[in-house]
Amino acid sequence: DAGITQSPRYKITETGRQVTLMCHQTWSHSYMFWYRQDLGHGLRLIYYSAAADITDKGEVPDGYVVSRSKTENFPLTLESATRSQTSVYFCAAGQGAYNEQFFGPGTRLTVL
Amino acid sequence: TQLLEQSPQFLSIQEGENLTVYCNSSSVFSSLQWYRQEPGEGPVLLVTVVTGGEVKKLKRLTFQFGDARKDSSLHITAAQPGDTGLYLCAGAYRYNQGGKLIFGQGTELSVKP
Repeated sequence: DAGITQSPRYKITETGRQVTLMCHQTWSHSYMFWYRQDLGHGLRLIYYSAAADITDKGEVPDGYVVSRSKTENFPLTLESATRSQTSVYFCAAGQGAYNEQFFGPGTRLTVL
Repeated sequence: TQLLEQSPQFLSIQEGENLTVYCNSSSVFSSLQWYRQEPGEGPVLLVTVVTGGEVKKLKRLTFQFGDARKDSSLHITAAQPGDTGLYLCAGAYRYNQGGKLIFGQGTELSVKP
């Protein structure tokens, strides 16, 4: 039972390059989320999705694009990476009356 | 701005000591969750509390939801090095806002042997 997988786990890229972070859930949870975690800022919501083909902005969406053509996948794309996007990115899936979320192991992204 | 404030931000204690972490807000939540995150991993759900005044126990961890559902606490009895990690509280509002949670900034706990 894999739950949520993220790939790659580590990525180094250069400023201006496009990068896509993958997220896959083995459940069929309705909601999926992308967060970034930085020292001093905690978890900040980038984008979320309530179902396939339904996405919405979170707290810090600028510079990011998401899509959700299938319930189980929720890729996050950095269209033109900047150094300020160096961070640890977490994908989560959730559903239920209490909004419980289940997180992936994270992707550590470094933009040089 | 909807905020959940956690205190303390950092806590370093010796094995065997007790500790309490607080999570406070001016907003009412329909439920509140506690997560623990270990270095290099994603947060893991520990517990969900939903009723004002509710107390839940998970071995040496005791979670309480405030009567007014605006605050919560996590108490650890006889802390062990394995309890080391980042503890996050997260609240959900009464009316589902796209499944979103409001996260606190976290409490970094270090338990020394």
